Amino acid sequence: EAEVAQSPRYKITEKSQAVAFWCDPISGHATLYWYRQILGQGPELLVQFQDESVVDDSQLPKDRFSAERLKGVDSTLKIQPAELGDSAMYLCASSLAGEPGELFFGEGSRLTVL
Amino acid sequence: AQSVTQPDIHITVSEGASLELRCNYSYGATPYLFWYVQSPGQGLQLLLKYFSGDTLVQGIKGFEAEFKRSQSSFNLRKPSVHWSDAAEYFCAVALGVDSNYQLIWGAGTKLIIKP
Repeated sequence: EAEVAQSPRYKITEKSQAVAFWCDPISGHATLYWYRQILGQGPELLVQFQDESVVDDSQLPKDRFSAERLKGVDSTLKIQPAELGDSAMYLCASSLAGEPGELFFGEGSRLTVL
Repeated sequence: AQSVTQPDIHITVSEGASLELRCNYSYGATPYLFWYVQSPGQGLQLLLKYFSGDTLVQGIKGFEAEFKRSQSSFNLRKPSVHWSDAAEYFCAVALGVDSNYQLIWGAGTKLIIKP
């Protein structure tokens, strides 16, 4: 069964360092999402791509976060510099275009900032 | 503003007992409704969805949910829980038009199973 691949699964970094997460969606899924999930809370959308274009990045802290999906396939989310409050699970999900809400999630990348 | 409320932060149920997790939404029209499950340290998995039609929908793992328009609710049920059902459950609403949808998430309900 096709899956959304994410790496790394765990990342420990010190504040002010740079960190990057990678996501490979299910083949054929045009829509890709990056979510941040703080322990005990629901996912918070950071950025949504349709193919290589950003559809929504209104909640992305653009002073330190960036995301790209250059060829409309895999995607990278970067944080520079990392802050203590960035400690969270970063989830990538993908879906077919036009399919409301049917997201397929990766296992997530757990970030700890010391 | 549109919102999704899951009133119970956590629920404890004995193995074999029935389960109902509550979800209420605030939205003018009939939304697309979803329940997702998240096992510890994992991503989320879609349990079931409601778009239209029969208001009682069946999902995976023996779960079902009922859409009640009059109560703006979409409660998740299971007749007999298993220890493996221990997880966090999220209700969500999809809003949007023309293939551009956003999910509004509830805060989640953590299900604890007593042996």
